Amino acid sequence: QVQLVQSGAEVKKPGASVKVSCKASGYTFTSYDINWVRQATGQGLEWMGWMNPNSGNTGYAQKFQGRVTMTRNTSISTAYMELSSLRSEDTAVYYCARGEYTTHGYYYMDVWGKGTTVTVSS
Amino acid sequence: DIQMTQSPSSLSASVGDRVTITCRASQSISSYLNWYQQKPGKAPKLLIYAASSLQSGVPSRFSGSGSGTDFTLTISSLQPEDFATYYCQQSYSTLLFTFGPGTKVDIK
Repeated sequence: QVQLVQSGAEVKKPGASVKVSCKASGYTFTSYDINWVRQATGQGLEWMGWMNPNSGNTGYAQKFQGRVTMTRNTSISTAYMELSSLRSEDTAVYYCARGEYTTHGYYYMDVWGKGTTVTVSS
Repeated sequence: DIQMTQSPSSLSASVGDRVTITCRASQSISSYLNWYQQKPGKAPKLLIYAASSLQSGVPSRFSGSGSGTDFTLTISSLQPEDFATYYCQQSYSTLLFTFGPGTKVDIK
């Protein structure tokens, strides 16, 4: 079945970087975007950015520009999100989500990973 | 940036109730509006896309309407498994897919 499997929980110190992976299966990896969305405990959803696995093109929310990098390895159908200069406010669950355009140009995220908990603490 | 607001922020309802959640965009987004359901400890689930299109496999008691700046999600007859938090999300502004703050639906 179509699924996104994310890497395990991470604990990082302030100032460090974290790299979360998202492995796709059950569909053609390069045919759909991968988005990253995070959620701090008890808070709402925050969209971080987007990547086209076919071209490698990316787009990042302004808030994360300069700190986030989204990449992929098409040979293993895996997307990555790296966040640098971590601070305590980055403690959150990070989700990858498949993005798709309809024929009429509407975009939605229809398949989600289970999330990766990233804790930033000294 | 397009800002999304939702009302109410929370509501209490009983099984069988009709529930309506409102989402408003800070500028016109045509029908580029999606709705997601999230249960505690779980990933969000797509319910509605393009303001009113029901995602495959989602029960027909869920419906969406609206265009421009004002949108609604309606649950026609609330079921026990529908107690969750609901988020709207605009996809009009490419590369900035903002979510609303969420509406928590709990048991009265």
